[in-house]
Amino acid sequence: DIQMTQSPSSLSASVGDRVTITCRASQGIKNDLGWFQQKPGEAPKRLIYAASSLQSGVPSRFSGSGSGTEFTLTISSLQPEDFATYYCLQYSTYIPWTFGQGTKVEIK
Amino acid sequence: EVQLVESGGGLVQPGGSLRLSCAASGFAVSNNYMNWVRQAPGKGLEWVSVIYSGETTYYADSVKGRFTISRDNSKNTVYLQMNSLKTGDTALYYCARGWGSEWGQGTLVTVSS
Repeated sequence: DIQMTQSPSSLSASVGDRVTITCRASQGIKNDLGWFQQKPGEAPKRLIYAASSLQSGVPSRFSGSGSGTEFTLTISSLQPEDFATYYCLQYSTYIPWTFGQGTKVEIK
Repeated sequence: EVQLVESGGGLVQPGGSLRLSCAASGFAVSNNYMNWVRQAPGKGLEWVSVIYSGETTYYADSVKGRFTISRDNSKNTVYLQMNSLKTGDTALYYCARGWGSEWGQGTLVTVSS
């Protein structure tokens, strides 16, 4: 199975900060990776697919980069509505698909 | 508008069975990958199963041999038959389209005596 190591597990940041979250795959997955945001009591929402493509309707302050084994989600200027938990998901041809452990973004 | 609505969750004893349903609207399940993903209370997301637009299916090791994913194209609905349930299967079960482009709101499964 492909392991997705997501870091950090949590972070504290202020409104306006630049935030970076990383996922490392245990083997190459090309660009078969998505990023999801989940707020308490809500279903996950996809932000990024194919590692760097922005989901329609998602603010442009969110961006994704990387390929192979190293991937990054960046929030360029953190907004109050961005405080949530973020997950990466690898959906390559290697079954099972696997999520990262999650990163909780909290208010500093 | 795309919509996914899960149902069928509830309280069941260990060893019991449940069948979850995911009714889709706004697109055809027959033409899409459809997934089940679960989230245990206070925990992260765990992929459970996928059914491709053909009949190919895959499962997480934790549910293989106990869960079966299927779909009824005439009802535009995807199912998850869960047998031999364990306390560790307690979770909110979501269905999701493709690579997570849309999600339902989830249905809660509680396995407890």
